Amino acid sequence: DGGITQSPKYLFRKEGQNVTLSCEQNLNHDAMYWYRQDPGQGLRLIYYSQIVNDFQKGDIAEGYSVSREKKESFPLTVTSAQKNPTAFYLCASSRPGQANYGYTFGSGTRLTVV
Amino acid sequence: GENVEQHPSTLSVQEGDSAVIKCTYSDSASNYFPWYKQELGKRPQLIIDIRSNVGEKKDQRIAVTLNKTAKHFSLHITETQPEDSAVYFCAASTGGSQGNLIFGKGTKLSVKP
Repeated sequence: DGGITQSPKYLFRKEGQNVTLSCEQNLNHDAMYWYRQDPGQGLRLIYYSQIVNDFQKGDIAEGYSVSREKKESFPLTVTSAQKNPTAFYLCASSRPGQANYGYTFGSGTRLTVV
Repeated sequence: GENVEQHPSTLSVQEGDSAVIKCTYSDSASNYFPWYKQELGKRPQLIIDIRSNVGEKKDQRIAVTLNKTAKHFSLHITETQPEDSAVYFCAASTGGSQGNLIFGKGTKLSVKP
């Protein structure tokens, strides 16, 4: 999917479980982002990372965690502390200092609590 | 920080009509304004963008205009077609190493045949 791959496409989580969403890119982009999308809410930033081994909280980081051990990978963990995790999750990447060249998005993961 | 307001939230037009979506931004330092189209269940895709040194940009049936003084920018779609039906997001960025894109809340465009 345009150099950035999210998996799985659909994910079901039981109450109290932690789940991890995968995001991998082969675009050689240094910056990566996680967004949550709810109907009528637009794109809300969860976490972002400008370089390896560094990441920053976005607007709605509570209940989520990330790691950035490799340039290509930026996995998102939805923890049991996230009380309403059902949503569509989008990963994106860009070159650092070149957010003004736009983001490339993955195809998304739809997470549902069962 | 930057705040981007987008209007309208929903827009319905007849096939062949024009559609206009407007966004305003708060940070006068913003210098890059992309527009994304998201079809149902799919990822957002960049359709057009404009930088602050340009007032207007066109790409076939799509155009974007920027008014830096008023801090607003608009997406214009002419001769709309059913396949234009989607959610459109505007965004703004100040660029630089920390210049993340700030998105509007989206406009759901419906083009009726």
